[in-house]
Amino acid sequence: EVQLVESGGGLVQPGRSLRLSCTASGFTLGDYAMAWVRQAPGKGLEWVGCIRRTVYDETTEYAASVKGRFSISRDDSKDIVYLQMSSLKTEDTAVYYCARAPSGDWHFDYWGRGALVTVSS
Amino acid sequence: SYVLTQPPSVSVAPGKTATVTCGGTRIGRKSVHWYQQKPGQAPVLVISYDTDRPSRIPERFSGSKSENTATLTISSVEAGDEADYYCQVWDTSSDHLVFGGGTKLTVL
Repeated sequence: EVQLVESGGGLVQPGRSLRLSCTASGFTLGDYAMAWVRQAPGKGLEWVGCIRRTVYDETTEYAASVKGRFSISRDDSKDIVYLQMSSLKTEDTAVYYCARAPSGDWHFDYWGRGALVTVSS
Repeated sequence: SYVLTQPPSVSVAPGKTATVTCGGTRIGRKSVHWYQQKPGQAPVLVISYDTDRPSRIPERFSGSKSENTATLTISSVEAGDEADYYCQVWDTSSDHLVFGGGTKLTVL
């Protein structure tokens, strides 16, 4: 059974950093691109960024709202994808979802349950 | 940046057909994917590549597309279909993924 489990969420002060982890099971992580999507309270889905497979040099893309502050990486040997968030702002408060992207056009066939990140003083 | 436009809400009576639209400039040239999200839950893929339905999704869900509009159709709507629905594309010109604003489907 495919499972994605996010961890590392919590309360953090503005300007600080936080790292989320997404632990994958039930499939070979290295065979898939991965992404992070967030959802602010009461709002819609917002793409954060994505990371391609190792065969594509693990290249990344980011939304303009987080570029330069957030970084995605992966460790296929540990079945983990990371989202490093720095210079956090109150508007980064959201549930952060990890999602699996099958090959072809970018879309997501499996999602984690999400991790809540609250940025507040 | 590329924009996808969805109606904020759609209402339908049980047993009827619901249509959720997703507008975008020349969306006909892109692959469109649709997700269902129920309150407190993660999104679920219901349609990929405009018309493909994952095996676990009921046949009542279907997708279509024209030059500037993609449509998710849910036939014989049930109370359990009440959810938010999002369309999504990959914008190759910016290498960015785009979601529509979402449509709340209410079953009357």
